[in-house]
Amino acid sequence: GAGVSQTPSNKVTEKGKYVELRCDPISGHTALYWYRQSLGQGPEFLIYFQGTGAADDSGLPNDRFFAVRPEGSVSTLKIQRTERGDSAMYLCASSPWTAGANVLTFGAGSRLTVL
Amino acid sequence: LAKTTQPISMDSYEGQEVNITCSHNNIATNDYITWYQQFPSQGPRFIIQGYKTKVTNEVASLFIPADRKSSTLSLPRVSLSDTAVYYCLVGDPASGGSYIPTFGRGTSLIVHP
Repeated sequence: GAGVSQTPSNKVTEKGKYVELRCDPISGHTALYWYRQSLGQGPEFLIYFQGTGAADDSGLPNDRFFAVRPEGSVSTLKIQRTERGDSAMYLCASSPWTAGANVLTFGAGSRLTVL
Repeated sequence: LAKTTQPISMDSYEGQEVNITCSHNNIATNDYITWYQQFPSQGPRFIIQGYKTKVTNEVASLFIPADRKSSTLSLPRVSLSDTAVYYCLVGDPASGGSYIPTFGRGTSLIVHP
């Protein structure tokens, strides 16, 4: 596609529920990143994929958070047993990851609200 | 990873030139400096990237002194639509998976009529 697409754009759920957020990166971009952003803060790194594998998941806050990218394109961020503190904007970015570049293109984000 | 420091907020008026300075005293030899812009309810957008001296594109200029311990993003003749948060990032984009773009709080620029 022309840009990074994230769905849903808004998700309201109840505490304890399971949530999936989807990211469709730019075609051909091998690198994919997930970030989380709270109000007034910069994006906080969660996980990075190179192809199908998670190259760095050091930013995932706990084992309730999990992400997959089974075919090296679309990625899904999964949050189990949601808590109110999970409420944030979840941003996905992709990059062609050519040496010397690594400029990220972000999607518009998925705003998650946990009641 | 080199840490960056930039002002929390800045105010300007339409038509003025705005300069946002970022300090990165611990920048490494292979690190590049990258700036992103973020509007409310949108993801950050790449503005400009440089290694040394001056880089200019259709949106902004980036000035980097010889010691590379700081950099200045220059926005010529700002308009109301330039109101956004601006982030300065430092890292080696060629280092592959060991470089994770890391965002601070950024500089919130408000342009007044």
